[in-house]
Amino acid sequence: NAGVTQTPKFRILKIGQSMTLQCTQDMNHNYMYWYRQDPGMGLKLIYYSVGAGITDKGEVPNGYNVSRSTTEDFPLRLELAAPSQTSVYFCASSTAGRRNTEAFFGQGTRLTVV
Amino acid sequence: DAKTTQPPSMDCAEGRAANLPCNHSTISGNEYVYWYRQIHSQGPQYIIHGLKNNETNEMASLIITEDRKSSTLILPHATLRDTAVYYCIVRPTNSGYALNFGKGTSLLVTP
Repeated sequence: NAGVTQTPKFRILKIGQSMTLQCTQDMNHNYMYWYRQDPGMGLKLIYYSVGAGITDKGEVPNGYNVSRSTTEDFPLRLELAAPSQTSVYFCASSTAGRRNTEAFFGQGTRLTVV
Repeated sequence: DAKTTQPPSMDCAEGRAANLPCNHSTISGNEYVYWYRQIHSQGPQYIIHGLKNNETNEMASLIITEDRKSSTLILPHATLRDTAVYYCIVRPTNSGYALNFGKGTSLLVTP
């Protein structure tokens, strides 16, 4: 059981470039999330989705876009990368409709913008 | 959203119990207390959660005070592999059940 898989694991971008961080889960979870974690800090929510076709902003959505065309996949798009987006990005998923379930996290994508 | 307060760091000797405190004085009646940990900047890992009763699983115990304003995560026999950042989170009632992470407690288990 793969759980939540993120690709790539590492990436270096130049300022102004764009990229898509991939996230896929094989647990049939309806809820999916994207977080970022800056050095020495906790995770901050970027975007989340409660099901295919439904997405909403979290705490720090500026500079990012998401889409959710299938239950399994929740890609995060960075347009016009900036140094402030240097961070570790985590994708997570959890079961739909139950408020008390655990969230499963991927291993992260370490992004550096230079 | 209810906020949590945790000490920034703690030490524990291997084999002893690690008791990690958390204050959540503004918690609402229908909000749960969750604990996650993060090892070596890996993805966070769920540990345990509770509403008002004490909870125990194979990883840890969670003790919640009667007024629900604070809780303690107990690792009964800490090992070196328990060295991690531990996050106490009160789950918000909106935002798609997302988790709001603070800075957590950095637990160092020493030989």
